[in-house]
Amino acid sequence: DGGITQSPKYLFRKEGQNVTLSCEQNLNHDAMYWYRQDPGQGLRLIYYSQIVNDFQKGDIAEGYSVSREKKESFPLTVTSAQKNPTAFYLCASSRDRANYGYTFGSGTRLTVV
Amino acid sequence: QQQVKQSPQSLIVQKGGISIINCAYENTAFDYFPWYQQFPGKGPALLIAIRPDVSEKKEGRFTISFNKSAKQFSLHIMDSQPGDSATYFCAADTGRRALTFGSGTRLQVQP
Repeated sequence: DGGITQSPKYLFRKEGQNVTLSCEQNLNHDAMYWYRQDPGQGLRLIYYSQIVNDFQKGDIAEGYSVSREKKESFPLTVTSAQKNPTAFYLCASSRDRANYGYTFGSGTRLTVV
Repeated sequence: QQQVKQSPQSLIVQKGGISIINCAYENTAFDYFPWYQQFPGKGPALLIAIRPDVSEKKEGRFTISFNKSAKQFSLHIMDSQPGDSATYFCAADTGRRALTFGSGTRLQVQP
């Protein structure tokens, strides 16, 4: 079955560490996105990529980095520069937003310990 | 300009009742308005979507009403069921960037 796989489901990070969240899709979608979800704040856009080897900053990109070397993969690195990284992170992909919308993964819950 | 405002933050409805969630936007370049449903611990899933050239779209018990002049759109859930209990997000898109989401509405349908 086609879909988006995010791993790990739960992740714990120590202060000062970088961590990388994985996002893989087998839907043959061109565009991929990373959102952060905090209670009462909805989904906020971190980074997005509309094609391989190209990506753009979203509304809250500071302290995060991404790469898009393969169509199927869009990993997100949460760096030590992100001051409040504890959140639920959602990856999504789309072929044509106007007709099909986004397909989301099941998310990664990151906690700083 | 990119903001989408959603209300209410939470909603409690009796089984069989109508649930209504409202969203408003400022950016007139938005031309696609989807609603997403999210269950705890899961990613959101597309529920229904509308373009501004129509005023209403219905799919089963779910209806989007769209008022272009007021820059508002709403989701109506008819005959609400306990299985509808979830968080609902409205969103908007210009087609040139990425979806902008509202803050979410937590719906609880009581049996």
